[in-house]
Amino acid sequence: AQSVTQPDIHITVSEGASLELRCNYSYGATPYLFWYVQSPGQGLQLLLKYFSGDTLVQGIKGFEAEFKRSQSSFNLRKPSVHWSDAAEYFCAVGDTGGFKTIFGAGTRLFVKA
Amino acid sequence: EAQVTQNPRYLITVTGKKLTVTCSQNMNHEYMSWYRQDPGLGLRQIYYSMNVEVTDKGDVPEGYKVSRKEKRNFPLILESPSPNQTSLYFCASSLRQGAYEQYFGPGTRLTVT
Repeated sequence: AQSVTQPDIHITVSEGASLELRCNYSYGATPYLFWYVQSPGQGLQLLLKYFSGDTLVQGIKGFEAEFKRSQSSFNLRKPSVHWSDAAEYFCAVGDTGGFKTIFGAGTRLFVKA
Repeated sequence: EAQVTQNPRYLITVTGKKLTVTCSQNMNHEYMSWYRQDPGLGLRQIYYSMNVEVTDKGDVPEGYKVSRKEKRNFPLILESPSPNQTSLYFCASSLRQGAYEQYFGPGTRLTVT
């Protein structure tokens, strides 16, 4: 069965520091992979996605993620965090039939001034 | 404006009293889905629909019903709500299933006493 693990429940980084949020998935084939962000009291917004091709994908708001098949990982990165990036981040896996989406438990990001 | 709307945004009800949460999208999307969000569990898929009159169970369908009679609407029905259905509910839509971005509604916070 598909599963998604986000090992860090919460992370605190200083403004201007780099960020990496971890995501590991379990799936038999190459899945569709997504990162979504949820600001407080809001719905989710797509940051980026991967389904084939270049394993380094660029997203909105300066985020990028790298798909590593050998490690079953799809980690999210940002070189310099802004206070407005404080939010909850969800990694998600879609099966290749595209019918179901499995979300990780989320990582809450706190940004220190 | 392209959007997914949900109503009501907040609802407090009592055990056993049937309720419906409406979801509507104005993007002519084929795929729609319902999720519930609980602390520490991320989002879990309840039901999804690939198109009009085509629906299927997600990972946590027990206690819920859906229907898709029109492309734009995908209501979630709780025939006999119980306290364990207290949660934050999100409706989402995408152009079709697969590697497509899901657009999320603002959420419905449901409390069942």
